[in-house]
Amino acid sequence: GQSLEQPSEVTAVEGAIVQINCTYQTSGFYGLSWYQQHDGGAPTFLSYNGLDGLEETGRFSSFLSRSDSYGYLLLQELQMKDSASYFCALPRGDDKIIFGKGTRLHILP
Amino acid sequence: DTAVSQTPKYLVTQMGNDKSIKCEQNLGHDTMYWYKQDSKKFLKIMFSYNNKELIINETVPNRFSPKSPDKAHLNLHINSLELGDSAVYFCASSRGDEFNEQFFGPGTRLTVL
Repeated sequence: GQSLEQPSEVTAVEGAIVQINCTYQTSGFYGLSWYQQHDGGAPTFLSYNGLDGLEETGRFSSFLSRSDSYGYLLLQELQMKDSASYFCALPRGDDKIIFGKGTRLHILP
Repeated sequence: DTAVSQTPKYLVTQMGNDKSIKCEQNLGHDTMYWYKQDSKKFLKIMFSYNNKELIINETVPNRFSPKSPDKAHLNLHINSLELGDSAVYFCASSRGDEFNEQFFGPGTRLTVL
């Protein structure tokens, strides 16, 4: 089967850097995705890693190590608006995607 | 332009009632989904349709019945509502490419009293 593990909560300070880790187990690997969800809102796609290494999109970066079944989302120059839940997810080859349980990011002023 | 829309946004109803949630996407995607997000924020896939055909049917009570009249619409009908059905239901669509980016609707918050 497939499973993902990520911390339930992370707290960081405005302007700082925070890393949200995700480990996964899967029999077939098609990449690791990240989604952001603000309270009361819908999840929105942030990034995808299909190969090892770092993908950067503005203040957000995502990293993947397939040999370690591990990835992380890195948020730099944290802003209060980054307070949200972040989900790692495993796309599959059959139109299905499995989501982790989400990490709630709290940002302190 | 709204990409994925759902109606209604809020739904409050009594146990035992039947209700429907409608979803439409104007992205031209072939695949559409229904997800349930519970109070702990766990996001779980319920159904997936590809071009009007049911592809994925997770372990969902048969009180839940999806219907896709065309590939731009996927509706969810729920019979005999129970307290445990209270959740936020998200419709989503995707291109079906390798990373299967999900485009979510705004969600429908269902409260069963």
